[in-house]
Amino acid sequence: GAVVSQHPSWVICKSGTSVKIECRSLDFQATTMFWYRQFPKQSLMLMATSNEGSKATYEQGVEKDKFLINHASLTLSTLTVTSAHPEDSSFYICSAEGQGIGNQPQHFGDGTRLSIL
Amino acid sequence: SQKIEQNSEALNIQEGKTATLTCNYTNYSPAYLQWYRQDPGRGPVFLLLIRENEKEKRKERLKVTFDTTLKQSLFHITASQPADSATYLCAPRTRYNTDKLIFGTGTRLQVFP
Repeated sequence: GAVVSQHPSWVICKSGTSVKIECRSLDFQATTMFWYRQFPKQSLMLMATSNEGSKATYEQGVEKDKFLINHASLTLSTLTVTSAHPEDSSFYICSAEGQGIGNQPQHFGDGTRLSIL
Repeated sequence: SQKIEQNSEALNIQEGKTATLTCNYTNYSPAYLQWYRQDPGRGPVFLLLIRENEKEKRKERLKVTFDTTLKQSLFHITASQPADSATYLCAPRTRYNTDKLIFGTGTRLQVFP
């Protein structure tokens, strides 16, 4: 089945550091990738949608200069949390969707737990 | 605005019983609806997809129904097992593949031996 790899799985760093999270589709080409954020005991909140070769579409309230998304190839999207602060600590999850006509399930990575000290 | 609601309270049931989880949506006309399972600290795992023209879909012990009149989907796990304990998320989606996928609040299922 379709596999999405997310790396790193866990990051602990100091306030002010920028952190890059990678999301790769291992056995299929992902035209669209989604980035989510999840706080404890809450559902996934969509942050942005990225399509290969174009700028990401951010959800309302998500700062595009804070959360930089790059989708340079059909198998890789990256999320960079710039100048991270403790309030950015959360569980970040990516998902990828293959090419095709509608009715496609999304395949998720295993998430990245980000802790900012 | 679009809204997706699932049982916010945890569902506790005894092993062997059937678990039924509800997903209601408003201001939405989904062409299909997906159900996912999420374990703590992990990403969601796709379980089932049901299209608007399908009333029911089955996969092993899982069954999903989709009522576009009631704007509701029900997710059933028959002969539930402790290993089924997880959070279950529904995600209705419109026809177009480029539309974003938005999840319901999720229902935590706990199956006791």
